[in-house]
Amino acid sequence: ILNVEQSPQSLHVQEGDSTNFTCSFPSSNFYALHWYRWETAKSPEALFVMTLNGDEKKKGRISATLNTKEGYSYLYIKGSQPEDSATYLCAFPSTSGTYKYIFGTGTRLKVLA
Amino acid sequence: EAQVTQNPRYLITVTGKKLTVTCSQNMNHEYMSWYRQDPGLGLRQIYYSMNVEVTDKGDVPEGYKVSRKEKRNFPLILESPSPNQTSLYFCASSPPGGEQFFGPGTRLTVL
Repeated sequence: ILNVEQSPQSLHVQEGDSTNFTCSFPSSNFYALHWYRWETAKSPEALFVMTLNGDEKKKGRISATLNTKEGYSYLYIKGSQPEDSATYLCAFPSTSGTYKYIFGTGTRLKVLA
Repeated sequence: EAQVTQNPRYLITVTGKKLTVTCSQNMNHEYMSWYRQDPGLGLRQIYYSMNVEVTDKGDVPEGYKVSRKEKRNFPLILESPSPNQTSLYFCASSPPGGEQFFGPGTRLTVL
């Protein structure tokens, strides 16, 4: 059974701190990795879809890197703000061409003002 | 406005009473999917559809049915709901392999 693991499970940082967390996935048969942001009482929203080894993507203060050979992706938040408080999920399609997705359980980030 | 809609948003029902949760998207996406979210378990995929009349099981399909007769709609059917299907359900759509757009969620309680 394929597994996607995220660490840490939860994280508290002070406003202005930079932070990062990890998504680990099976490195064999890699197709793509998705990052989503999920605020309390809302729906998950897509941040990035990453497909190539060495990929780096950026959206405002949030960026992500991808290492498909060793099976991990990092999500970075620079200068965290209270509005960044959310659960960050990664997802991995387990089979090419079918898009059967496996989601990690997420990293819950709380930014303290 | 591009969106995924789900109805109902909240539902309390009793064991064994058939119910349907509707999902509709207006983005002409080929791919649609249903997930359930339970505390400590994250999002788990129930069923997905690659296109009209093409559906397949996710990780937790037992007790659920789906159909994809039209591109925009992907209803989730619980023929005989049981208390262990109490959960928060999300529908999502996307172009193949692309970022998924999630609906607002349906909170289901089965007594």
